[in-house]
Amino acid sequence: DILMTQSPSSLSASLGDKITITCQASQDIATYLGWFRQKPGKAPELLIHDASKLEIGVPRRFGGSGSGTDFTFTITSLQPDDIGTYFCQQYDTVPITFGQGTRLDIK
Amino acid sequence: QITLKESGPTLVQPTQTLTLTCTFSGFSLSSPGAGVGWFRQSPGKAPEWLALIYWDDDKRFKSSLKTRLTISKDTSQKQVFLTLTNIQPADAGMYHCAHRRQGFGALFDSWGQGTLLTVSS
Repeated sequence: DILMTQSPSSLSASLGDKITITCQASQDIATYLGWFRQKPGKAPELLIHDASKLEIGVPRRFGGSGSGTDFTFTITSLQPDDIGTYFCQQYDTVPITFGQGTRLDIK
Repeated sequence: QITLKESGPTLVQPTQTLTLTCTFSGFSLSSPGAGVGWFRQSPGKAPEWLALIYWDDDKRFKSSLKTRLTISKDTSQKQVFLTLTNIQPADAGMYHCAHRRQGFGALFDSWGQGTLLTVSS
């Protein structure tokens, strides 16, 4: 199975801050990586696919980059609605695997 | 608009069999490339992929659960079923089904809200 190592596990930032989350795959997954946000009691919401492509309707303050084994997710100007837990997920190979998650809150 | 909704028992006793239903709309599971997956999630943890069924009835399972899992579909009723035998306390959690985006490997782009399973005697 491909191991996805995500960091940090939690993050507290101020409104307007830029935040960065990293995800490392244990083997080359090209750009078969998605980023999800999950709010308490809700389903995961896909924000980015193919490592850098925003889903329709996702604000442009969200971004993703990387290929191969190293990936980055950023929010350029943190907004109140951005709180939640963020996961990376590889879909290059079954079994699909996720990073451990990053819990983001507002200072 | 794609929507999915999970249903099933909220409480199951150890050693029993769990059957969950995913009822979906907005796509057809007879369309080439279509697929539906099942995931489960413990509080504070990442989702764990369990199984996937494709439009052509091809199936994939998490290897460690393969002997306990069954996945099937009723295309006309727009439903997918997941069965997990010999339920144990470690199987408790939120179970989600999700739509596989066609042409994107195993990318799941729309998820149901989930159904919460408690395991207790």
